[in-house]
Parts: sequence; structure tokens; C-alpha cells
Amino acid sequence: GQQVMQIPQYQHVQEGEDFTTYCNSSTTLSNIQWYKQRPGGHPVFLIQLVKSGEVKKQKRLTFQFGEAKKNSSLHITATQTTDVGTYFCAGRLYTGNQFYFGTGTSLTVIP
Amino acid sequence: DTEVTQTPKHLVMGMTNKKSLKCEQHMGHRAMYWYKQKAKKPPELMFVYSYEKLSINESVPSRFSPECPNSSLLNLHLHALQPEDSALYLCASSQGPQGVYSGNTIYFGEGSWLTVV
Repeated sequence: GQQVMQIPQYQHVQEGEDFTTYCNSSTTLSNIQWYKQRPGGHPVFLIQLVKSGEVKKQKRLTFQFGEAKKNSSLHITATQTTDVGTYFCAGRLYTGNQFYFGTGTSLTVIP
Repeated sequence: DTEVTQTPKHLVMGMTNKKSLKCEQHMGHRAMYWYKQKAKKPPELMFVYSYEKLSINESVPSRFSPECPNSSLLNLHLHALQPEDSALYLCASSQGPQGVYSGNTIYFGEGSWLTVV
């Protein structure tokens, strides 16, 4: 069945270091969304990518959608303690109606 | 602050109880969702309502019964649950009549923490 995997599962970084999480799908996606969930909180939408090879930036966050639309990445430059949380990608197939959430990457930032 | 409101925030129920989770949004969204999330796991889609009609049921056991009384409200009726059903239940909504199809942003509520004893 459809699986959306993320690596790494956990990441500890020193404050100021960069962080990247990778999202990989077994099948081609029509679009992909990224969410952040703080500990004890609910998922909050960050961004949506639709086009092959698309790159979007939000301040220190850079999102990429692969050329084959099977993978995506989120890169955070110079992490801050406010970046702590779990980052989920959620991909949608061309056929079928639902988004499949990735397995998530839990980020810990050490001050 | 989320614009999707869920009540109650916490619920403890016995396996023979009947309870309901409630969700409300006033953004004019026409698609509403129930997700289940276990600790350290991603949200799992349970149900999708589009224009107040059930459009997706992800093979959810019948002890979970969704209801959409109107375009702003979504309920999840719970009966004869098992301890393994303990989880965070998230309600969400999106704008378009086919929010899931078009990839519209999904807005999540803060969730209801359910414990089945």
C-alpha cells in the first residue's frame, strides 16, 4: 500500500545548526503539504508544494519537491529553540482522495 | 489560535459508555475530517465529510460513528470502545467542496484526548 516515509525519525541539533528532514513516497504524488506539531499540540499547516522541482522559502525554512514528485525535503537554517516539534509531510496521490501523512521527524534543539 | 474548535479537550470513558466528541468551524469550509493520532505517530485519517455527506470512511470500526448535522458541525459518537482506542482525536476542515481532492490547506483543531479505561 501507499507509504510516505520520513527520515530521520529523530534529530537532535545544537541551536544554530541546520536541520533537514526528507519525505519519500512509494508512488508519485500530485502535491505535498508540510505540517509542524509542537509537543502536546496539533498539526499546523506550513506550506503546500504542487509543481515538480518546486522550491519555496519561508524565512529560515526551505521546502523542495522532487522532480519525480516522489520526494520532498524541509531544511531549516540556523535552528532556534522555537523550531522544536515534529515535522510531518502529507502527500496526496493523483488517484484517490486522501492525504497520507509521513511518519514524521521529531526535532530537538539543544540551547 | 485555531479556528476549529473541539470539545471536550479531555475525555475518560469506560468501555461500556457512550460519549461524543464535537467539532465546530465557522470558516465556511465544506470539507471536514476526523483523524486519530497515537503518541509519536502521524495522524491517521478516519472519516471525510464533503458538503455534509460522508465521502470517505477509512475502514473504521463501527464503534466510531460520525455525524455531520450541518456544514459547521461534526460529531464523533463513541460506543463500546476498547483501551487501544485511547488517542488524540483531531478534527480538521478545509475550504473547497472537495478539499481533499484539490489539496486545500487543512486546518486542525486542538484535538480531544481520549482515554478508554
